[in-house]
Amino acid sequence: KNQVEQSPQSLIILEGKNCTLQCNYTVSPFSNLRWYKQDTGRGPVSLTIMTFSENTKSNGRYTATLDADTKQSSLHITASQLSDSASYICVVSGWAGGGNKLTFGTGTQLKVEL
Amino acid sequence: NAGVTQTPKFRILKIGQSMTLQCAQDMNHNYMYWYRQDPGMGLKLIYYSVGAGITDKGEVPNGYNVSRSTTEDFPLRLELAAPSQTSVYFCASSYLTGGAGNTEAFFGQGTRLTVV
Repeated sequence: KNQVEQSPQSLIILEGKNCTLQCNYTVSPFSNLRWYKQDTGRGPVSLTIMTFSENTKSNGRYTATLDADTKQSSLHITASQLSDSASYICVVSGWAGGGNKLTFGTGTQLKVEL
Repeated sequence: NAGVTQTPKFRILKIGQSMTLQCAQDMNHNYMYWYRQDPGMGLKLIYYSVGAGITDKGEVPNGYNVSRSTTEDFPLRLELAAPSQTSVYFCASSYLTGGAGNTEAFFGQGTRLTVV
């Protein structure tokens, strides 16, 4: 069964600090992996996308890594800001016979405090 | 640019009532999806469509129906609402050609449904 597990479930950090969120997946066949940011009451918005051959990708203060061998990804947030408070969702895409199926993790709830 | 538009934003239904959640996209995307998100849980796929006239079940299709008569619209129908269908519903769309497909899914703002 395709699964995406994220850790930690929730995290509180002080503004200006760095943090790393983890994602482990068992989706097969693998197509790509995305990290989404979901603000409270809003739909998810894509931060980064990585394919099988990509190890790292940055988007401003967000840097995602992918190890396709161990099926692990991480999202590193540098110099956190209050606006980073949100749920971060790891989404793995697998091509399955005519359809690109998305498997969602349950998310990491990040709170950035003063 | 409207992107993916969902209506209504909020709705309260009584048990046994029916309703249709509307979803429209103006990006000419071929794929459209309906997800539900329960508190503290990840998004679960209800139904998806790979193009007009083609729909398929996702993980949790029971109690729902969809149709895709046009590229732009993908309504989700609840026929006999039950408390277990209380959730936040997200519609999404993406454009995928043959092969793996790397384009992202764009999400609507969500519909918060409560069944009492």
